[in-house]
Amino acid sequence: GAVVSQHPSRVICKSGTSVKIECRSLDFQATTMFWYRQFPKQSLMLMATSNEGSKATYEQGVEKDKFLINHASLTLSTLTVTSAHPEDSSFYICSARDPGGAGGIETQYFGPGTRLLVL
Amino acid sequence: EDKVVQSPLSLVVHEGDTVTLNCSYEVTNFRSLLWYKQEKKAPTFLFMLTSSGIEKKSGRLSSILDKKELFSILNITATQTGDSAVYLCAVVRGGGNEKLTFGTGTRLTIIP
Repeated sequence: GAVVSQHPSRVICKSGTSVKIECRSLDFQATTMFWYRQFPKQSLMLMATSNEGSKATYEQGVEKDKFLINHASLTLSTLTVTSAHPEDSSFYICSARDPGGAGGIETQYFGPGTRLLVL
Repeated sequence: EDKVVQSPLSLVVHEGDTVTLNCSYEVTNFRSLLWYKQEKKAPTFLFMLTSSGIEKKSGRLSSILDKKELFSILNITATQTGDSAVYLCAVVRGGGNEKLTFGTGTRLTIIP
């Protein structure tokens, strides 16, 4: 149980283009999903909290117009990096809470991540 | 601001050794502490701890929380090369937010 998938796993794009990353909870419904960013040899930094049916909550310093989040259903959240630049290259990871899971309501289960490289 | 500090930052041991990883925290309205293992991809869940003094155990891994001294430890006994990974500690604040604040992680390397 508590499986989270992400697609694509890896993407290379040109500077100025937009990239969409999907995050799905496969065997449970997730009213809340989280988007993180991780630079090499650093820990995970929360970017935003994605709430089904309402606007995402962004962390301080994260541009909401650049990182568009849509949580259209209880099993899908998308992150769109708009007008990507080389400094946006990073490892993007989503997570979801499974309130009915063995780990309890606070436990977040992570997707496999998406490695973005902007040329 | 919530703070999670892990030590050591990195650790290299021989297969079969026992290791103890540390996590100390400062958080307003503490709710729970979680341990994750991260290999090449995203973190996988190990333990969630909410109460002091109750050991959680899974095979060779165990963890315990001390809410008075604000720290947790993760023990791995009889280490194997497959235990090589970054171990992340995260805390959850109460109050309906449930965001995770991560420590920088401990990079554990097991030498055969």
